Amino acid sequence: AQKITQTQPGMFVQEKEAVTLDCTYDTSDQSYGLFWYKQPSSGEMIFLIYQGSYDEQNATEGRYSLNFQKARKSANLVISASQLGDSAMYFCAMREGRSGNTPLVFGKGTRLSVIA
Amino acid sequence: GAGVSQSPRYKVAKRGQDVALRCDPISGHVSLFWYQQALGQGPEFLTYFQNEAQLDKSGLPSDRFFAERPEGSVSTLKIQRTQQEDSAVYLCASSSPYPQGKNEKLFFGSGTQLSVL
Repeated sequence: AQKITQTQPGMFVQEKEAVTLDCTYDTSDQSYGLFWYKQPSSGEMIFLIYQGSYDEQNATEGRYSLNFQKARKSANLVISASQLGDSAMYFCAMREGRSGNTPLVFGKGTRLSVIA
Repeated sequence: GAGVSQSPRYKVAKRGQDVALRCDPISGHVSLFWYQQALGQGPEFLTYFQNEAQLDKSGLPSDRFFAERPEGSVSTLKIQRTQQEDSAVYLCASSSPYPQGKNEKLFFGSGTQLSVL
C-alpha cells in the first residue's frame, strides 16, 4: 500500500487565490512527522512546512498552512494568496517513528500552475 | 558554500560504464541521505549515513550501487555497470545534528541528472 497518496497530478490556480493540495498517509505508528516540499524546475527540493503527529495545532509558515486531520490521516497543504513563483511540483512526505533520522517517504507529487 | 552541493549536475553514461556522483553536505550536518527520483515521480530513499557510518542501505536497488562517506563529510554514490533503468535524478540531502520537529527537515542539493544511453 502507498504510504503517501497525492491524488492530484496537476492543479491550476489563479494568482492571488488560495489553493489546497491533498495528501493522505498510511501508518500504524503513533509518532510520525509530515512534511511538504516544493520542487521548482531547478530541481532542488525546498522545505515548506512540518507537522508532528502529536501537534495539536495546525502548522503555519507564512503563506503556507497544513490542514492536519489525524483521524482521516490527511495532511493537506494550503497556499494562500498564490504567486506566479509558486508554480512548481509539491511533494508530501512522512517520517515514521520517533527518530528524526528515519528516511522520509514521499508521494508522487502535485504540479501546481499559477495563472496570471 | 551554505547549501548542499552536488556534482556533476548532469552525467551521460554509456550502458555498462561506471559513474561516481558526489555530495558535499552542509558543514556540521552529521546525517546524509541519498534519494533517487525517476521522471515524474517522488524521491525514493537509497541510503543513509550518520557521520561515516552507513546505517541504512535498504533502498539501494542492486549490488551495483555503492555509497561511502569515509570522513563523515563528503559522500560518493557509485553505480557500476550502469543500466538504462538507472537513469534518474540522484538527490543528496543532509539534516541538522539535532533533528527534532521542523529541525528534522532535510536540506537538498540540486541533484545529479544521470542519463544512461
